[in-house]
Amino acid sequence: SQTIHQWPATLVQPVGSPLSLECTVEGTSNPNLYWYRQAAGRGLQLLFYSIGIGQISSEVPQNLSASRPQDRQFILSSKKLLLSDSGFYLCAWSLRTAGSGNTIYFGEGSWLTVV
Amino acid sequence: GNSVTQMEGPVTLSEEAFLTINCTYTATGYPSLFWYVQYPGEGLQLLLKATKADDKGSNKGFEATYRKETTSFHLEKGSVQVSDSAVYFCALRKYSGGGADGLTFGKGTHLIIQP
Repeated sequence: SQTIHQWPATLVQPVGSPLSLECTVEGTSNPNLYWYRQAAGRGLQLLFYSIGIGQISSEVPQNLSASRPQDRQFILSSKKLLLSDSGFYLCAWSLRTAGSGNTIYFGEGSWLTVV
Repeated sequence: GNSVTQMEGPVTLSEEAFLTINCTYTATGYPSLFWYVQYPGEGLQLLLKATKADDKGSNKGFEATYRKETTSFHLEKGSVQVSDSAVYFCALRKYSGGGADGLTFGKGTHLIIQP
């Protein structure tokens, strides 16, 4: 069966510091990968998605970037965090086969507090 | 663009009450529709889904029917339990070809079940 792991689970970082959140998927190959953010009062926002190694699409211009160095690894980064980057970050995956009915599966999330 | 509208709550019910959480969507073509549940401090779990008009998704006593004529996907449960207390998200996914397509979420409905 497929599993998704992301870490760290919680993170408190000062303004201006860098960020790295990692996510890996096991039990499948060539998945689509996603990063979402859930901020207070703003619902769930798609930040990045990837259909393959090195192929990243950004949905919202921001202070963050994403990379996919390996097929089942997805990394969310920032060089200098802002207070507004605080939130709950969720990594997710789905099968790459065509069609909107494929379920997107989420990791447990990472709580980021920028102070 | 695509959008999902759902009641935000909080919705407070007594145990064994009947539950309805309304969800309506705007999208061109034929999206797939999903309900996700988020328990406190956790990631999102798929509750149920429907991929075409008149399909009914069901799981753990919850049901939702894809109504294209009213562009709705209301979540129902006949008798709620305290353990159903969580945030429920309605979402749609529209495949447009050529890349990965993430989910468009509603803002979430906080459900509180009192014993």
